[in-house]
Amino acid sequence: EVQLVESGGGLVQPGGSLRLSCVASGFTLSIYAMSWVRQAPGKGLEWVSVVSGSGGSTYYADSVKGRFTISRDNSKSTIYLQMNSLRGEDTAVYYCAKDKDYSTSFPIGYFDYWGQGTLVTVSS
Amino acid sequence: EIVLTQSPATLSLSPGERVSLSCRASENVNGYLAWYRQKPGQAPRLLIYDASKRATGIPARFSGRGSGTDFTLTITSLEPEDFAVYYCQQRSNWPPGRLTFGQGTRLEIK
Repeated sequence: EVQLVESGGGLVQPGGSLRLSCVASGFTLSIYAMSWVRQAPGKGLEWVSVVSGSGGSTYYADSVKGRFTISRDNSKSTIYLQMNSLRGEDTAVYYCAKDKDYSTSFPIGYFDYWGQGTLVTVSS
Repeated sequence: EIVLTQSPATLSLSPGERVSLSCRASENVNGYLAWYRQKPGQAPRLLIYDASKRATGIPARFSGRGSGTDFTLTITSLEPEDFAVYYCQQRSNWPPGRLTFGQGTRLEIK
Protein backbone atom coordinates (compact mmCIF):
# COMPACT_ATOMS: atom_id res chain seq x y z
CA GLU A 1 0.00 0.00 0.00
CA VAL A 2 1.36 3.38 -1.01
CA GLN A 3 1.72 5.78 1.90
CA LEU A 4 3.04 9.31 2.11
CA VAL A 5 3.42 10.83 5.56
CA GLU A 6 4.34 14.49 5.94
CA SER A 7 5.74 16.14 9.04
CA GLY A 8 7.54 19.29 10.10
CA GLY A 9 4.76 21.84 9.90
CA GLY A 10 4.03 24.34 12.64
CA LEU A 11 3.90 27.98 13.61
CA VAL A 12 6.78 30.15 12.46
CA GLN A 13 7.37 33.90 12.44
CA PRO A 14 7.66 35.85 9.19
CA GLY A 15 11.21 35.56 7.90
CA GLY A 16 11.72 32.24 9.64
CA SER A 17 12.49 28.78 8.30
CA LEU A 18 10.98 25.30 8.42
CA ARG A 19 11.87 21.97 6.90
CA LEU A 20 9.09 19.64 5.86
CA SER A 21 9.61 15.90 5.42
CA CYS A 22 7.60 13.30 3.53
CA VAL A 23 8.29 9.63 4.22
CA ALA A 24 7.20 7.34 1.40
CA SER A 25 6.45 3.63 1.49
CA GLY A 26 4.79 0.95 -0.61
CA PHE A 27 6.51 1.78 -3.91
CA THR A 28 9.98 2.23 -5.41
CA LEU A 29 10.54 5.87 -4.57
CA SER A 30 13.68 6.36 -6.65
CA ILE A 31 11.91 6.03 -10.02
CA TYR A 32 9.17 8.58 -9.33
CA ALA A 33 9.25 12.33 -9.36
CA MET A 34 7.70 13.82 -6.25
CA SER A 35 6.03 17.19 -5.77
CA TRP A 36 4.89 19.48 -3.01
CA VAL A 37 1.46 21.07 -3.46
CA ARG A 38 -0.02 23.52 -0.99
CA GLN A 39 -3.47 24.75 -0.09
CA ALA A 40 -4.07 27.96 1.83
CA PRO A 41 -6.94 27.81 4.33
CA GLY A 42 -10.25 27.71 2.45
CA LYS A 43 -8.50 28.15 -0.89
CA GLY A 44 -7.53 26.09 -3.92
CA LEU A 45 -4.46 24.05 -4.77
CA GLU A 46 -1.09 25.49 -5.76
CA TRP A 47 1.81 23.41 -7.06
CA VAL A 48 5.03 24.39 -5.27
CA SER A 49 7.95 22.26 -6.39
CA VAL A 50 9.01 18.96 -7.97
CA VAL A 51 12.12 16.79 -7.75
CA SER A 52 13.00 14.06 -10.23
CA GLY A 53 13.45 10.47 -9.12
CA SER A 54 17.23 10.76 -8.95
CA GLY A 55 17.08 14.20 -7.36
CA GLY A 56 19.07 15.66 -10.22
CA SER A 57 16.33 17.97 -11.49
CA THR A 58 14.22 20.38 -9.51
CA TYR A 59 11.64 22.98 -10.47
CA TYR A 60 9.78 25.62 -8.49
CA ALA A 61 6.75 27.85 -8.70
CA ASP A 62 7.69 31.50 -9.15
CA SER A 63 6.10 32.29 -5.78
CA VAL A 64 8.72 30.25 -3.89
CA LYS A 65 11.74 30.32 -6.20
CA GLY A 66 14.86 31.37 -4.35
CA ARG A 67 13.27 30.75 -0.94
CA PHE A 68 12.34 27.05 -0.99
CA THR A 69 14.55 24.07 -1.78
CA ILE A 70 13.27 20.59 -2.56
CA SER A 71 15.49 17.53 -2.11
CA ARG A 72 15.26 13.81 -1.55
CA ASP A 73 17.13 10.99 0.13
CA ASN A 74 16.00 7.80 -1.54
CA SER A 75 17.98 5.70 0.93
CA LYS A 76 15.76 7.13 3.66
CA SER A 77 12.60 7.09 1.50
CA THR A 78 12.16 10.77 2.27
CA ILE A 79 11.41 13.96 0.37
CA TYR A 80 12.20 17.33 1.92
CA LEU A 81 11.11 20.92 1.47
CA GLN A 82 13.37 23.50 3.07
CA MET A 83 11.43 26.75 3.42
CA ASN A 84 13.30 29.97 4.17
CA SER A 85 12.26 33.62 4.36
CA LEU A 86 8.71 32.57 5.07
CA ARG A 87 5.85 34.99 4.48
CA GLY A 88 2.25 35.15 5.60
CA GLU A 89 1.12 34.04 2.16
CA ASP A 90 3.02 30.78 2.63
CA THR A 91 0.49 29.75 5.28
CA ALA A 92 -1.08 26.56 3.96
CA VAL A 93 -1.42 22.83 4.26
CA TYR A 94 1.52 21.34 2.39
CA TYR A 95 0.93 18.03 0.63
CA CYS A 96 3.53 15.63 -0.68
CA ALA A 97 2.34 14.06 -3.94
CA LYS A 98 3.60 11.18 -6.09
CA ASP A 99 3.79 11.32 -9.87
CA LYS A 100 1.32 8.95 -11.47
CA ASP A 101 3.92 7.24 -13.71
CA TYR A 102 7.64 6.70 -13.43
CA SER A 103 9.91 8.56 -15.78
CA THR A 104 13.62 8.71 -16.44
CA SER A 105 13.33 12.20 -17.91
CA PHE A 106 10.74 14.85 -17.14
CA PRO A 107 8.20 14.56 -14.32
CA ILE A 108 4.73 13.47 -15.39
CA GLY A 109 2.73 16.10 -13.53
CA TYR A 110 -0.33 14.06 -12.55
CA PHE A 111 -0.52 13.01 -8.90
CA ASP A 112 -2.03 9.66 -7.97
CA TYR A 113 -1.12 9.54 -4.27
CA TRP A 114 -1.08 12.34 -1.74
CA GLY A 115 -0.14 12.52 1.90
CA GLN A 116 -2.48 13.81 4.57
CA GLY A 117 -0.75 17.18 4.62
CA THR A 118 1.08 19.23 7.23
CA LEU A 119 -0.02 22.72 8.24
CA VAL A 120 2.43 25.60 8.07
CA THR A 121 1.33 28.83 9.73
CA VAL A 122 3.43 31.96 9.26
CA SER A 123 2.44 34.59 11.77
CA SER A 124 3.92 36.85 14.42
CA GLU B 1 0.93 31.14 -17.35
CA ILE B 2 -2.07 29.05 -18.35
CA VAL B 3 -5.13 30.02 -16.32
CA LEU B 4 -7.87 27.43 -15.74
CA THR B 5 -11.36 28.75 -15.11
CA GLN B 6 -13.92 26.35 -13.64
CA SER B 7 -17.64 26.85 -13.76
CA PRO B 8 -19.89 27.06 -11.98
CA ALA B 9 -18.30 27.85 -8.62
CA THR B 10 -20.99 25.95 -6.74
CA LEU B 11 -23.70 23.48 -7.73
CA SER B 12 -26.55 22.21 -5.57
CA LEU B 13 -27.76 18.78 -6.64
CA SER B 14 -29.37 15.63 -5.27
CA PRO B 15 -27.95 12.09 -5.11
CA GLY B 16 -28.65 10.19 -8.32
CA GLU B 17 -28.55 13.27 -10.53
CA ARG B 18 -26.19 13.72 -13.47
CA VAL B 19 -23.76 16.65 -13.50
CA SER B 20 -21.22 18.16 -15.86
CA LEU B 21 -18.45 20.44 -14.64
CA SER B 22 -16.57 22.79 -16.93
CA CYS B 23 -12.90 23.76 -17.07
CA ARG B 24 -11.69 26.30 -19.61
CA ALA B 25 -8.01 27.01 -20.24
CA SER B 26 -6.61 30.38 -21.32
CA GLU B 27 -4.64 28.59 -24.05
CA ASN B 28 -4.32 25.14 -25.60
CA VAL B 29 -3.19 22.55 -23.02
CA ASN B 30 -2.72 19.80 -25.62
CA GLY B 31 -4.99 17.41 -23.77
CA TYR B 32 -2.80 17.45 -20.66
CA LEU B 33 -5.64 17.95 -18.23
CA ALA B 34 -6.61 16.13 -15.05
CA TRP B 35 -9.51 16.21 -12.63
CA TYR B 36 -9.36 15.68 -8.87
CA ARG B 37 -12.01 15.31 -6.18
CA GLN B 38 -11.32 16.65 -2.69
CA LYS B 39 -13.58 15.69 0.17
CA PRO B 40 -13.60 17.92 3.28
CA GLY B 41 -10.51 17.43 5.42
CA GLN B 42 -8.90 15.06 2.91
CA ALA B 43 -6.24 15.24 0.25
CA PRO B 44 -7.29 15.41 -3.41
CA ARG B 45 -7.83 12.20 -5.37
CA LEU B 46 -6.98 11.81 -9.04
CA LEU B 47 -10.05 10.94 -11.10
CA ILE B 48 -9.18 11.64 -14.73
CA TYR B 49 -5.93 12.36 -16.56
CA ASP B 50 -5.07 13.20 -20.17
CA ALA B 51 -8.58 14.69 -20.38
CA SER B 52 -10.45 11.39 -20.64
CA LYS B 53 -8.55 8.50 -19.02
CA ARG B 54 -9.89 7.23 -15.73
CA ALA B 55 -7.31 6.73 -13.00
CA THR B 56 -6.91 3.36 -11.32
CA GLY B 57 -9.89 2.41 -9.18
CA ILE B 58 -12.14 5.25 -10.35
CA PRO B 59 -15.71 4.11 -11.04
CA ALA B 60 -17.22 4.33 -14.50
CA ARG B 61 -19.72 7.01 -13.45
CA PHE B 62 -16.84 9.49 -13.87
CA SER B 63 -15.91 10.49 -17.41
CA GLY B 64 -13.91 13.28 -18.95
CA ARG B 65 -13.87 14.81 -22.36
CA GLY B 66 -12.54 17.80 -24.20
CA SER B 67 -9.58 19.12 -26.12
CA GLY B 68 -7.78 22.36 -26.81
CA THR B 69 -9.12 24.76 -24.20
CA ASP B 70 -12.51 23.32 -23.18
CA PHE B 71 -12.94 20.31 -20.92
CA THR B 72 -15.78 18.64 -19.05
CA LEU B 73 -16.05 16.20 -16.18
CA THR B 74 -19.33 14.29 -16.07
CA ILE B 75 -20.66 12.25 -13.18
CA THR B 76 -23.62 10.18 -14.38
CA SER B 77 -25.29 9.43 -11.04
CA LEU B 78 -24.13 11.27 -7.95
CA GLU B 79 -23.25 9.20 -4.91
CA PRO B 80 -23.11 10.73 -1.40
CA GLU B 81 -19.29 10.72 -1.48
CA ASP B 82 -19.30 12.81 -4.66
CA PHE B 83 -20.43 15.93 -2.82
CA ALA B 84 -17.04 17.57 -2.61
CA VAL B 85 -14.83 20.09 -4.41
CA TYR B 86 -13.52 19.29 -7.89
CA TYR B 87 -10.35 20.74 -9.36
CA CYS B 88 -9.00 20.61 -12.88
CA GLN B 89 -5.23 20.78 -13.42
CA GLN B 90 -3.03 21.22 -16.49
CA ARG B 91 0.58 20.19 -17.07
CA SER B 92 1.16 21.44 -20.60
CA ASN B 93 4.73 22.56 -21.24
CA TRP B 94 5.67 21.65 -17.68
CA PRO B 95 8.34 21.69 -16.58
CA PRO B 96 9.69 24.29 -16.81
CA GLY B 97 6.39 26.01 -17.47
CA ARG B 98 3.77 26.32 -14.75
CA LEU B 99 1.59 23.50 -13.54
CA THR B 100 -1.71 25.08 -12.57
CA PHE B 101 -5.04 24.19 -10.99
CA GLY B 102 -8.46 25.67 -11.50
CA GLN B 103 -10.13 27.44 -8.59
CA GLY B 104 -12.52 24.53 -7.97
CA THR B 105 -16.22 23.71 -8.25
CA ARG B 106 -18.08 22.77 -5.10
CA LEU B 107 -20.87 20.19 -5.37
CA GLU B 108 -23.27 20.46 -2.49
CA ILE B 109 -26.35 18.48 -1.56
CA LYS B 110 -29.61 20.20 -2.36
